Amino acid sequence: AQSVTQLGSHVSVSEGALVLLRCNYSSSVPPYLFWYVQYPNQGLQLLLKYTTGATLVKGINGFEAEFKKSETSFHLTKPSAHMSDAAEYFCAVSSYNFNKFYFGSGTKLNVKP
Amino acid sequence: DTEVTQTPKHLVMGMTNKKSLKCEQHMGHRAMYWYKQKAKKPPELMFVYSYEKLSINESVPSRFSPECPNSSLLNLHLHALQPEDSALYLCASSQEGRETNEQFFGPGTRLTVL
Repeated sequence: AQSVTQLGSHVSVSEGALVLLRCNYSSSVPPYLFWYVQYPNQGLQLLLKYTTGATLVKGINGFEAEFKKSETSFHLTKPSAHMSDAAEYFCAVSSYNFNKFYFGSGTKLNVKP
Repeated sequence: DTEVTQTPKHLVMGMTNKKSLKCEQHMGHRAMYWYKQKAKKPPELMFVYSYEKLSINESVPSRFSPECPNSSLLNLHLHALQPEDSALYLCASSQEGRETNEQFFGPGTRLTVL
């Protein structure tokens, strides 16, 4: 069975500071991992995904994530936070019957001026 | 067109009403999903349609009735809902049959049950 755990339900950073959102996965098979962002009262937008190949994945809006098998982690980073990055972020892993995503509990990012 | 559209954006209904939510995509995706999302929680999967057939029902109460009239449309029929059913209802779609394929989400319908 697959699952993801997001450490920290709330993360607060200053504008211009490094953003680090943590995601650890549990999977008995090679995982396929995703990060989504959700702005208030909107749907989810894909930031990036890891399937196979390069372990450092670059996404939209300057975000990137690194797949570390030894640490079972897929943390999301951005070198310099912008006010517009304030949102809820969800890590997800897809199932091996293909049509189910297992979402983490989410991390709300607050960016202070 | 890489968009999933949902109507209406907001819906207020009484417990005796019947209403429907609509979702549409024109990306040629053959898998479509309904999710329910409560405040400050992740989306919870309700139903999955694959090639217009219901493939997953996550033990959702019968007052929610999904329908997939064709490969581009997905409906969720609502009847005799309870106040606790108030939530954001999200539709999503993806290419069928590949675990690497991301799901594309619509903006959601904000449902309030009085």
